[in-house]
Amino acid sequence: DIQMTQSPSSLSASVGDRVTITCRASQAISDSLAWYQQEPGKVPKLLIYAASTLQPGVPSRFSGSGFGTDFTLTISSLQPEDFATYYCQKYYGVPLTFGQGTKVEI
Amino acid sequence: DVQLVESGGGLVQPGGSLRLSCAASGFTFSTYAMSWVRQAPGKGLEWVSYFSSSTSTTIYYADSVKGRFTISRDYAENSLYLQMNSLRAEDTAVYYCVRVKFGSYSFDYWGQGTLVTVSS
Repeated sequence: DIQMTQSPSSLSASVGDRVTITCRASQAISDSLAWYQQEPGKVPKLLIYAASTLQPGVPSRFSGSGFGTDFTLTISSLQPEDFATYYCQKYYGVPLTFGQGTKVEI
Repeated sequence: DVQLVESGGGLVQPGGSLRLSCAASGFTFSTYAMSWVRQAPGKGLEWVSYFSSSTSTTIYYADSVKGRFTISRDYAENSLYLQMNSLRAEDTAVYYCVRVKFGSYSFDYWGQGTLVTVSS
């Protein structure tokens, strides 16, 4: 099975910071990657699919890039509501594996 | 609006069974694939099972539940189900019903989840 590894596991940042989270696949997965945000106590929310396509309604400060094995989620200017845990998910075949998550803290 | 409402969670003893239900509304249920995703307390997300749209009957399971869980759907009732047998402590989690985004295997809508606790 293809494994998904996120880094870092957690990070501390301030409002206005540029934040980058990395997700690495153990084998090439084309652009079959999604990113989710889960605020504390809330349901996960799809941010990006196909590695770089923003889900409708998601603020443009979120962006995704990558292809093959290495992917990044970037928040250009961190807002108070962005403090959450972020997960990548690959969908190049089954199982539909999530990364272990990256917690973005103040 | 798309709504996914899970039910059926609760406390069950190891080795027991539960059947989760998900009532879908606000979209044409038959044209979307559906999945179950779970999250153990304080842990990350784990995909559990997938059921294709009505154009086919393609079903997948995570290795951790294969042979114990069965996914099904009722197009007349716009409902998705997860029959869980031989439950183990490690199956304790919030179970989310999720809609699979058309054209990808990402998950664009999530229910609020139902908690399953496996404990004696």
